[in-house]
Amino acid sequence: DAKTTQPTSMDCAEGRAANLPCNHSTISGNEYVYWYRQIHSQGPQYIIHGLKNNETNEMASLIITEDRKSSTLILPHATLRDTAVYYCIVSRNQAGTALIFGKGTTLSVSS
Amino acid sequence: NAGVTQTPKFRVLKTGQSMTLLCAQDMNHEYMYWYRQDPGMGLRLIHYSVGEGTTAKGEVPDGYNVSRLKKQNFLLGLESAAPSQTSVYFCASLTARAGAAFFGQGTRLTVV
Repeated sequence: DAKTTQPTSMDCAEGRAANLPCNHSTISGNEYVYWYRQIHSQGPQYIIHGLKNNETNEMASLIITEDRKSSTLILPHATLRDTAVYYCIVSRNQAGTALIFGKGTTLSVSS
Repeated sequence: NAGVTQTPKFRVLKTGQSMTLLCAQDMNHEYMYWYRQDPGMGLRLIHYSVGEGTTAKGEVPDGYNVSRLKKQNFLLGLESAAPSQTSVYFCASLTARAGAAFFGQGTRLTVV
């Protein structure tokens, strides 16, 4: 599976949009981009995933560049409860595929 | 709907003791994973399984064994615990179709 690169940390003001970037320049055509977050010491929580097209759900939006070498997770109106470590993962999600986490981005939302 | 349940939630072991961590999922997922997370670090994959009766090594498999005798259960064993295995252990399950992985709430293990 392709590796990902994320900034170590980011800050965001409450109520503003949080844009978290992820670089996955070696992504293959059949690999999906997944985003998870981990709040404090809880188990990671799924946010969103996509293959080629931009995706939106009740939590966030995922913007994938046309060449698929990078993506951005957007939290449209960040709240204090969005303070967490955000992980970007690239995976084929097929038999034999491990789900490997990197170090992620620590997002700090402040009032 | 329980999702992914880990047992126990907390445990203290003495060096050299053995124990088994149980992960149970009720979503009929094919894939299951065991991770460890040390303080201030990301998740590291220990072992995983893509189906009943099959297991594979992850990034940090040494000192651990696993078994997947039933589709809904994934067991992680420590045969001879060491202080370096003090960590928080997370289990996850995932459907073979593209989708979300679901995680348990973790087992906090301390080896003294």
